[in-house]
Amino acid sequence: AQSVTQPDIHITVSEGASLELRCNYSYGATPYLFWYVQSPGQGLQLLLKYFSGDTLVQGIKGFEAEFKRSQSSFNLRKPSVHWSDAAEYFCAVGVGYNTDKLIFGTGTRLQVFP
Amino acid sequence: DAGVTQSPTHLIKTRGQQVTLRCSPKSGHDTVSWYQQALGQGPQFIFQYYEEEERQRGNFPDRFSGHQFPNYSSELNVNALLLGDSALYLCASSPGLAGETQYFGPGTRLLVL
Repeated sequence: AQSVTQPDIHITVSEGASLELRCNYSYGATPYLFWYVQSPGQGLQLLLKYFSGDTLVQGIKGFEAEFKRSQSSFNLRKPSVHWSDAAEYFCAVGVGYNTDKLIFGTGTRLQVFP
Repeated sequence: DAGVTQSPTHLIKTRGQQVTLRCSPKSGHDTVSWYQQALGQGPQFIFQYYEEEERQRGNFPDRFSGHQFPNYSSELNVNALLLGDSALYLCASSPGLAGETQYFGPGTRLLVL
């Protein structure tokens, strides 16, 4: 069965520090992978996506993610975190012929200290 | 260009009641998906509508039903509400079934007492 695992429920970093959020997926075919961010009381905003091609993808707000097929991972990174990055981050895999549904992980809550 | 809009923003119901949530997709999008996000969890796929038909359904009971109108807007109906239906209900739209990204609305927070 398809699934997404985000091992870290809660991460705390200092402003200016680097960040890596982990994501592992289970899916038999070539995955379509996404990272979304959710601020309190808000909907989900797409940070970046991987469909094919270059395994290092760039997104908005200075985020990037690397697809590693051998490790079934799609970790999200940012070299220098800003206080405004504090939010909930969700990794998702698109399943079905045309990514017609998303399977989400349980999310990682990021807290940023000044 | 307006993004995905949802109404109402908040709703309080009692057990056994019925509720209807509404979603207007982003301009140019004709596919609408609904997700349920319980507190502290990731969103779970309920179903998707395209060309006014339900195209795929997640693991939700028949109490959850939907509709898509000719203008691509959509409704989610939940009958016989249970306490466990309390959640944030998210609508997402995309431009067809060609592997495009889903864009999410702000959600409707439903509380069942």
